[in-house]
Amino acid sequence: QKEVEQDPGPLSVPEGAIVSLNCTYSNSAFQYFMWYRQYSRKGPELLMYTYSSGNKEDGRFTAQVDKSSKYISLFIRDSQPSDSATYLCAMTLSGLVFGTGTRLLVSP
Amino acid sequence: EAQVTQNPRYLITVTGKKLTVTCSQNMNHEYMSWYRQDPGLGLRQIYYSMNVEVTDKGDVPEGYKVSRKEKRNFPLILESPSPNQTSLYFCASSHGTGDYGYTFGSGTRLTVV
Repeated sequence: QKEVEQDPGPLSVPEGAIVSLNCTYSNSAFQYFMWYRQYSRKGPELLMYTYSSGNKEDGRFTAQVDKSSKYISLFIRDSQPSDSATYLCAMTLSGLVFGTGTRLLVSP
Repeated sequence: EAQVTQNPRYLITVTGKKLTVTCSQNMNHEYMSWYRQDPGLGLRQIYYSMNVEVTDKGDVPEGYKVSRKEKRNFPLILESPSPNQTSLYFCASSHGTGDYGYTFGSGTRLTVV
């Protein structure tokens, strides 16, 4: 079993939809929980991070962590075609441990 | 501009021919690491370095070497590349292992034939 599980998708939605991306993890020692966005042929870029259980909002993005269930989510409101990318959840231990990434396609 | 610079961006080589992928950061970060990204497997850590002259193995270190002689540079060395090392490689840096603010390079696509 992988330490971090993430559905690879692809997830296809129409423009304006609310998108929900999720990861589960098995190691309760993870400290920070992050979401990275990766466009094709580019390196991952940090989108959001959180440390504790609960919600964190930044514009159209909301990151949610439930440590008791070992479950994290990223919600994207009013999705745009420019949001089309692969979204990677990641957690810190001695370095980053990544999920496999979910490919998101937002159609106009 | 704060960045991590990797070179080359693309490389095709033959089995057994030693190669080095360079990585340099201009943010004075202590921590640097190398990842490989493969379809269905995601990003996996190869090696990391907590500071100059301090390196350690990640999850998939076999067939790779690293060195950290200067704070800004962290080259990845493949002494005898094999086809199973064909992958997309990323270098990353941050202030510390528990830091959330990792900055990634643009990647090196390596093909070993």
